[in-house]
Amino acid sequence: DIQLTQSPSSLSASVGDRVTITCRASHDIKRYLAWFQQKPGEAPKSLIYDASSLQSGVPSRFSGSGSGTVFTLSISSLQPGDFATYYCQHYNHYPYSFGQGTKLEIK
Amino acid sequence: QVQLMQSGAEVKKPGASVRISCTASGYIFTSQYINWVRQAPGQGLEWMGIINPSGGSPTYQQKFEGRVTMTRDTSTTTVYMELSGLRSDDTAVYYCARGKRIDYWGQGTPVTVS
Repeated sequence: DIQLTQSPSSLSASVGDRVTITCRASHDIKRYLAWFQQKPGEAPKSLIYDASSLQSGVPSRFSGSGSGTVFTLSISSLQPGDFATYYCQHYNHYPYSFGQGTKLEIK
Repeated sequence: QVQLMQSGAEVKKPGASVRISCTASGYIFTSQYINWVRQAPGQGLEWMGIINPSGGSPTYQQKFEGRVTMTRDTSTTTVYMELSGLRSDDTAVYYCARGKRIDYWGQGTPVTVS
């Protein structure tokens, strides 16, 4: 099974900052990686699929990159609504799995 | 618009079973797989399995093999997830989510085992 490891586990930043979250896969998953945002008490929201494609309606300050085993999610110019927990997920083959999450907090 | 509407909160005793529904609307039901994902209190997301509404056998995470059953009813555009032999560590919010490339999520169904 493929393990996904996110770093950092938590991150403090200010409104207007640029942040980057990394997701490392234990095996090559090509570009079959998605990113999700989750706020407390809410269902996750889909942000990115196929490593770098934005879901409809997602602001362009979110971007994804990578392939193989190393992927990144970047958020340029953080907005107040961006403070949340972010998860990566692979769908290269079954079983799919998620990273452990990265909590983005306001500094 | 695409919607996944899940059934309401459940409270179950250890050893019981729970069945959660996920009713899809706003798209062709048989065109997209449905995943089931759960989240224990204060924990991360855990993928449980996936079903193709067009037919065929679901795929389950090995951890849940023998305890989970995913089914679908095309007449009501509903997918079901049944988990048996409930334990306290099955207490979680259970989500359905559309697509191999997940794009839409249900609102979640809290299940408490106590």
